[in-house]
Amino acid sequence: QAGLTQPPSVSKGLRQSATLTCTGNSNNVGNQGAAWLQQHQGHPPKLLFYRSENRPSGISERFSASRSGNTASLTITGLQPEDEADYYCSAWDSSLSVVVFGGGTKLTVL
Amino acid sequence: EVQLVESGGGLVQPGESLRLSCAASGFTFSSDGMNWVRQAPGKGLEWVGYITSSSSTIYYADSVKGRFTISRDNAKNSLYLQMNSLRAEDMAVYYCARDKLLSWGQGTLVTVSS
Repeated sequence: QAGLTQPPSVSKGLRQSATLTCTGNSNNVGNQGAAWLQQHQGHPPKLLFYRSENRPSGISERFSASRSGNTASLTITGLQPEDEADYYCSAWDSSLSVVVFGGGTKLTVL
Repeated sequence: EVQLVESGGGLVQPGESLRLSCAASGFTFSSDGMNWVRQAPGKGLEWVGYITSSSSTIYYADSVKGRFTISRDNAKNSLYLQMNSLRAEDMAVYYCARDKLLSWGQGTLVTVSS
């Protein structure tokens, strides 16, 4: 089951902005959008967004998400040291009837 | 407060079986579908399967289809993962996660080794 495509790593400076991408196809990201998860080392993942733009309560407004066609994006503004983490996207694939994950992007805040 | 607590992990030999449990609280468990997701050491997230709120439909990843079985007991607010014919590549931390991946447990480690 092919997964979603994410860049392995992104590095940005403190207080800068970072945009992470997640590319799928018309059966997954292009269909129902993507979810974004943040995972700090040694901790379980935490949901940041579901179906591309829906933010659960308690998630900082420094995080925003969008989708264009088959690509979803997560933007983090005013980067803080605590934003350094692994970020995963996921989506339901309506053709395969499975959930697919991206390989994850390791965000480093310099 | 939503809580998901996994249990049942441990060390097993290849070919053996293990049953994981996930105890849910803080939300209406019987109304939500549930997922199992695993993460091998140092690797990314891998979806294992999903069960609808009424257990009417269950989906599995190809990698576990025919070996793993997901079930739930809404009266006990509990989710289960029966894992048979375990392989070395099944070694991972197993998480239960609420519908839409809204909430996650802390995970339980399954080690498959002879």
